Amino acid sequence: EPEVTQTPSHQVTQMGQEVILRCVPISNHLYFYWYRQILGQKVEFLVSFYNNEISEKSEIFDDQFSVERPDGSNFTLKIRSTKLEDSAMYFCASRRTGTSDTDTQYFGPGTRLTVL
Amino acid sequence: GENVEQHPSTLSVQEGDSAVIKCTYSDSASNYFPWYKQELGKRPQLIIDIRSNVGEKKDQRIAVTLNKTAKHFSLHITETQPEDSAVYFCAASTALGYFGNEKLTFGTGTRLTIIP
Repeated sequence: EPEVTQTPSHQVTQMGQEVILRCVPISNHLYFYWYRQILGQKVEFLVSFYNNEISEKSEIFDDQFSVERPDGSNFTLKIRSTKLEDSAMYFCASRRTGTSDTDTQYFGPGTRLTVL
Repeated sequence: GENVEQHPSTLSVQEGDSAVIKCTYSDSASNYFPWYKQELGKRPQLIIDIRSNVGEKKDQRIAVTLNKTAKHFSLHITETQPEDSAVYFCAASTALGYFGNEKLTFGTGTRLTIIP
């Protein structure tokens, strides 16, 4: 069964550095998402992406964050200048279409980001 | 925006007994309610979902009920087994529709422990 994949599994960075988290959504999916989960807390929505543009973003997704689909398979999340509070597990998710029988969002295994 | 409350935060049940987790949501426009199971350090995995045009859905030992009037939905696990131990998250979304790319709003999670 196809799965969403993410790399790296763990990223350690210094405060102020840029990081790029990578995701490969399921191949025939059209909608892409990033969520984050601070340790011990709930999963929070960051951004949704469709047709090469952002559909919606949360208040967490400020100017330090950006997303890109650089080719036909990858979906990236960039944090330009990391802060301590960016430390979290970042999950990518994808969904096939917007029709009612394909609501399911499939999650990747996550990238644990640690900002020192 | 949508707010999802989830109770209880922790739940311990004897193996073989039933477990019930409850969620309430605030946005009457929400029409899709998935439940995700997350084992330690792993990705959230969909275990069951329900749409607003249905009041109940069952899949083997797992069932979900939805009360649109009261804006709450519940997860029921019967004949619990040790492998059911995990954190369970409910979520809500206005996902239906051709342009449905809407985000999932998650509850705060329930840590379920099955006591052998």
